[in-house]
Amino acid sequence: DVKVTQSSRYLVKRTGEKVFLECVQDMDHENMFWYRQDPGLGLRLIYFSYDVKMKEKGDIPEGYSVSREKKERFSLILESASTNQTSMYLCASRPTKQMDRGRSDTQYFGPGTRLTVL
Amino acid sequence: AQKITQTQPGMFVQEKEAVTLDCTYDTSDPSYGLFWYKQPSSGEMIFLIYQGSYDQQNATEGRYSLNFQKARKSANLVISASQLGDSAMYFCAMREGIRSGSARQLTFGSGTQLTVLP
Repeated sequence: DVKVTQSSRYLVKRTGEKVFLECVQDMDHENMFWYRQDPGLGLRLIYFSYDVKMKEKGDIPEGYSVSREKKERFSLILESASTNQTSMYLCASRPTKQMDRGRSDTQYFGPGTRLTVL
Repeated sequence: AQKITQTQPGMFVQEKEAVTLDCTYDTSDPSYGLFWYKQPSSGEMIFLIYQGSYDQQNATEGRYSLNFQKARKSANLVISASQLGDSAMYFCAMREGIRSGSARQLTFGSGTQLTVLP
């Protein structure tokens, strides 16, 4: 089974702090994603990466950066946390080619990190 | 314009009855995939079912089926014989350019909170 892990389930930080959210997957997937989830808005893509050291902006990249130095690890960085970044953050991964067509393109999600910025 | 629209913020269903969760989508890409995910209160996103735009038949996975009406651009999820454990948030999502193999992201709807009553 695919396993995607995130470094923390719950995190509390103060405004202005630098925050690192880590995501690790163990299935050698090329593609990794960071989403934030807010009530009434669903999941919105922050950044994604399709290979080591490669990254692309998603729909809401402002205030965030990412790092992918190794294939299995994708980090989300809040350079200076603000209260409007209080949210649930979900990491996902996906291989470029899926063997099982019935699940074509399925993304596998981590358990999420609930971040509160005070 | 919203790419994925879920018009039911909340739904209630009696245990053992069937329930339909609505999803409409908007795309001009002829090649796309539609997904449904379940998110229990614990937070993890669980993949339920997938429908490709070129699939001739509606997808089914156990008690889940997808009522795919391409001309209407709708992809409603039908859960038969509801169980108490089905109480969760349900998200519809779409990926365009499904055959390109590129790391295009999923676009999510705002979700429907389903509550199964005993």
